[in-house]
Amino acid sequence: TQLLEQSPQFLSIQEGENLTVYCNSSSVFSSLQWYRQEPGEGPVLLVTVVTGGEVKKLKRLTFQFGDARKDSSLHITAAQPGDTGLYLCAGPNQAGTALIFGKGTTLSVSS
Amino acid sequence: KAGVTQTPRYLIKTRGQQVTLSCSPISGHRSVSWYQQTPGQGLQFLFEYFSETQRNKGNFPGRFSGRQFSNSRSEMNVSTLELGDSALYLCASSFTSGLRGDTQYFGPGTRLTVL
Repeated sequence: TQLLEQSPQFLSIQEGENLTVYCNSSSVFSSLQWYRQEPGEGPVLLVTVVTGGEVKKLKRLTFQFGDARKDSSLHITAAQPGDTGLYLCAGPNQAGTALIFGKGTTLSVSS
Repeated sequence: KAGVTQTPRYLIKTRGQQVTLSCSPISGHRSVSWYQQTPGQGLQFLFEYFSETQRNKGNFPGRFSGRQFSNSRSEMNVSTLELGDSALYLCASSFTSGLRGDTQYFGPGTRLTVL
């Protein structure tokens, strides 16, 4: 069974700090996606990484896909209260018949 | 353009009852996927519909079923509700398939509580 494990589970930081959250698996994924979910809303896609070693930047967010395509990380620079939310990683199973989600990292940024 | 809408937003049922949830995708999207989100298990894939056909199914019992209409609107049904079915049920729409890299747009979800 393919699993995506995210760490840390919870993160509480002050505005302006940097942080990194991780998404790891023992299985190879053809691609990985990162979502952010705010309370009372559905997840919103932030980025999709496809190539091993790929780095994508979205303003203050930097996403990296591991060389072996088994892990990914999300780095946020100078966090802001608006970054607060649940960060989820997801990837298709090997058969391409289901999308597997990690359990997420809950980020709280206080001013 | 309008986003994905789900109705109702909140629902309270008792064990043994059945429930039907509705999802209206973004106009032009033909794929609708359903997910269950709980604190313990996180987000789990239920099934995907495309052009009125179930294309993929997750590892859920047969009490969970769905369908898609010709206008791409989708419903999911849960029969003989159990306490463990209490969850946020999310639907997501995409042009072709969220499982094949197409961007999925999620609705706000239906919060189901089973008493």
